Amino acid sequence: QVQLVHSGAEVKKPGASVKVSCKASDYTFTNNYITWVRQAPGHGLEWMGWINAYNGDTNYAQKLQGRVTMTTATSTTTAYMELRNLISDDTAVYSCTRGLNYFDPWGQGTLVTVSS
Amino acid sequence: QSALTQPASVSGSPGQSITISCTGTSSDVGGYNYVSWYQQHPGKAPKLIIYDVSNRPSGLSNRFSGSKSGNTASLTISGLQAEDEANYFCSSFTSGSTVVFGGGTKLTVL
Repeated sequence: QVQLVHSGAEVKKPGASVKVSCKASDYTFTNNYITWVRQAPGHGLEWMGWINAYNGDTNYAQKLQGRVTMTTATSTTTAYMELRNLISDDTAVYSCTRGLNYFDPWGQGTLVTVSS
Repeated sequence: QSALTQPASVSGSPGQSITISCTGTSSDVGGYNYVSWYQQHPGKAPKLIIYDVSNRPSGLSNRFSGSKSGNTASLTISGLQAEDEANYFCSSFTSGSTVVFGGGTKLTVL
């Protein structure tokens, strides 16, 4: 069964960086895209960007350009999302999911709380 | 890129059918047959229920169906059941190879 398992919750101060990991299993990692989506408490889904797990190509949401970096480690079938210069509005559950134009499955997500 | 427009809430009684709309533009919903729908119960991860406008993942109930006309996509749930009470999100591929989500619709089963 395809699974995406995320790293644990994080608490960060404004201005800090966070790096969330997502380990994929039971499918050919390099045959797919990984998309990152975030959901602020009580809000909807926000697309953050994708990474091609085969060649590392990325495409980020314009509002996050310059603050976000998505990478993969094919040897461990793990995807990473780093967000820098955190602000309170970045408080959200960050999820990776498999796919480019539709997404299945989703991991449980990682709660990132930004608070002074 | 603006979010796709969904009604904030819809409701229906058990056994009834409901439809949730998802309105975009010619640069997203109207321009591509890459609309998908997700069901999310509180505190849970989203679950794919429709992809490429009208396709259901293997094993998913045929009570869920999707369609599109112009810049508006629709999700119909027939034979409403209590377990269908959840939030539903649409998404669409867009020009620039990005994706945009709808704001979400809360479905209440009366």
